Order: sequence, then C-alpha cells, then structure tokens
Amino acid sequence: DAGVTQSPTHLIKTRGQQVTLRCSPKSGHDTVSWYQQALGQGPQFIFQYYEEEERQRGNFPDRFSGHQFPNYSSELNVNALLLGDSALYLCASSPGQGAKGYTFGSGTRLTVV
Amino acid sequence: GQNIDQPTEMTATEGAIVQINCTYQTSGFNGLFWYQQHAGEAPTFLSYNVLDGLEEKGRFSSFLSRSKGYSYLLLKELQMKDSASYLCAVSNSNSGYALNFGKGTSLLVTP
Repeated sequence: DAGVTQSPTHLIKTRGQQVTLRCSPKSGHDTVSWYQQALGQGPQFIFQYYEEEERQRGNFPDRFSGHQFPNYSSELNVNALLLGDSALYLCASSPGQGAKGYTFGSGTRLTVV
Repeated sequence: GQNIDQPTEMTATEGAIVQINCTYQTSGFNGLFWYQQHAGEAPTFLSYNVLDGLEEKGRFSSFLSRSKGYSYLLLKELQMKDSASYLCAVSNSNSGYALNFGKGTSLLVTP
C-alpha cells in the first residue's frame, strides 16, 4: 500500500517564476494538508483541502494556492517565487480533517535562485 | 497564536535514556503529537497525547500535562538510528485541527 506520494522530489526555479507541486494521498485518505519546512525549522501549515475545497489556511500570502481533485490528489501552486520560498514542501494526508491520522510524504525540495 | 518551545539540539550516548521537553501555549487544545524526522525524509508519527499522563510505546514514551502546557518524549535504550530531529506539534480546534509545530530538537546519538 503506497503512502503519500509527492512529485517532483527536487526542483530549481528562478525568482518570479511559478511552480506546481503534486501530492497523491495515502489510500483511504480524503484530506490533504500542505506544509512548508524551511531549513532547520519545523513545518509551517499552509492550507488544508477536503472535498475539493480549501478548508483552513495558515499565514501564507495569496501567492500560495491549491487544488484538490475528485480522486483526492492535490496540487500546491506558488506564483511570483521569492528566494524565501526555498524550502521543503510536505504534503500530509488523513482520513478526515483531524490531525490524528496524518501521514506525511517525503516532500518536494524547492530551491529558488 | 501558539508558542511551542523545545531545545534546539541534544546529544546522548548509545544505550542511554534521553528526555526531550516541549512547552506550549494555546487555546482550544486538541492534542499533542511527537514526530521523528530523519534528514531529507518525511516526518513519521511517534505518539499522540490528548489526556494528561504517560503513553508508552516500546522504547518511546510521551508525557502530557495540560495544566502546565508541558510534554516530554522519552527515548530509552538509545540506538544510533535514533539520531534525528524530533518535532513537537500541537493540534488546535480553533485552527481547524492543523498541526502547529515547534522548530524541532536535533538529537545526536554517539557511540
């Protein structure tokens, strides 16, 4: 049984560009949450998707947006990339919106140059 | 908002016991989680406490005191593979059950 799958694993982008990261949740999970983890820091909550809608959002600007598809997979889009957006982006899926059943993916390492 | 504090780094010897502390301030507390994260890998779930007391799971135990806003993770019979970052995270019903993480404690186990 595959866990949470994220793609790509690594990505290098230039300032001002746009990026799309993808996440396939664990089988049986219908909720996807996205986190940003800067080097040496804990993950920071970006937003959560459930039933194809953004349900909660952390303290991130509108440059960060997302989508959830009918098969529960999700995308994270970041526009107008800044150097400070360089981080590990983690996707976590769960059966329902509660955090108790979170399973994290290995993340996408985004480097903005 | 929430304030979650844990030590930045700790070092312990193989075979020993280490305790990693975490303090937090929050309203609408809905549980405290401990995750282990090896460099470049996904955080993996270790424990969940929502009531006061000690939860034991093999070599790992976690304690919670809600009145003190305090938790600790206890690792016994340390092994080299336990070298990792340990993340304390609090779930808050006011923020839709999103996890709020501390900065993590980097544990180095030495021979």
